[in-house]
Formats: sequence, C-alpha cells, structure tokens
Amino acid sequence: EAQVTQNPRYLITVTGKKLTVTCSQNMNHEYMSWYRQDPGLGLRQIYYSMNVEVTDKGDVPEGYKVSRKEKRNFPLILESPSPNQTSLYFCASSLSGTGNTIYFGEGSWLTVV
Amino acid sequence: DAKTTQPPSMDCAEGRAANLPCNHSTISGNEYVYWYRQIHSQGPQYIIHGLKNNETNEMASLIITEDRKSSTLILPHATLRDTAVYYCIPPSVTDRGSTLGRLYFGRGTQLTVWP
Repeated sequence: EAQVTQNPRYLITVTGKKLTVTCSQNMNHEYMSWYRQDPGLGLRQIYYSMNVEVTDKGDVPEGYKVSRKEKRNFPLILESPSPNQTSLYFCASSLSGTGNTIYFGEGSWLTVV
Repeated sequence: DAKTTQPPSMDCAEGRAANLPCNHSTISGNEYVYWYRQIHSQGPQYIIHGLKNNETNEMASLIITEDRKSSTLILPHATLRDTAVYYCIPPSVTDRGSTLGRLYFGRGTQLTVWP
C-alpha cells in the first residue's frame, strides 16, 4: 500500500531536548516536504526536498533542520525545541515537485512544555 | 507564485450539491489547479486537479473558467462525511516552467454539511 509514514504520532517533550520526527515514503517519490498546522494559520511549509541531498526552506524554517540522505526518508529535526513549536506536523511526498499529486502522512502531534 | 482566494466557510444540506469557489487570478498558463481536503486533523487528501478543461472523478467535479482565473469544486451529493476544510492549490512554477517545491495552502474553505 502506497503511504507516507510519520513517527511518532504523538509526543510531549521538554524545552531544549532535541527530537527527530521521522518520515518515510514507499512510492519512490523524489519530492518530500514538511508542514506545520496551527489553529487559524492553516498549513505552512517548513522545508522541502526536490531530491536526495537537495533541501530548501519553506515559509517557516526557523528552529528546524532536515536531511535527505536517501530518497525514502526525510526526517525533521528540532535541535532545541521551544513551546512555540507545539503544533501538528505533516510530512508529504510526490513523484516530482508540486506539479504532481501530493500524499500526506497522518500527522504528528508535538507538544513542547 | 500563484496564490489563491477562497471563502473561509460554507455550508450545505446533506444530499445537495456543494459548490466551492476558488480565485487564482495569478495562475500561469502551465500551472494545474489542485484541490485537497482535510477532514478534522487528518492528513490532507487529494481530490482532483485540472489545467484547462473541466474534470470529473468519483469524488468530485472541477469547473475551470475559460480565462483560468477561477475554478469551482463541485461535490454533487454532499454527505456528512464531506465536512472538511477544502484547499485549492496551484503549484509554484518558475519562469522557465520547472516546478519549485514551494507550496501555499492558505486557510481553505471550511465546508459544513448539515443533516
């Protein structure tokens, strides 16, 4: 089954404790991206990757890092989480760029206290 | 980059057609319009896309104006399970026609289907 898998789905962590949200897709997609969703602000793009070793900033990259060492994985790294990064996070992928259908993961609820 | 304008909310009676408009007046000639929906806090789900011609699939129909500056998503017989936020999205395209990775979802339209 074609899917985008995120882990963890739910996490409560403390300020400053580094964490990684993993994302994996099994569709051999070149394009992957991360979004955060906050009440009243809709979905905002954090980072995206057009292919392996190619990443770029979206609209809200501050406080996040990403890497794309292999095509199927695109982890989101919070080096020093802060409470304003409490949000619902979505990973997404598509065949090649945003001109193709985008598939989303189920979301990761992250709370930073 | 093409951006879109959608009404923040709409409602519709169950069994009736839901017509969701989207303005994308800055869309380029080779940009598709994509529609997605998000039910509660689940991941957004693809519905339909189109370039110039009207499109129909098992979920919905998409009507695109001749000047391509706006489109309407039609759910012909809305059900309670169609209650969701609907996003109209054109992808980002460079002047040279290659797609960028930037994607702007906006806030979409909250469609509420009532019994």
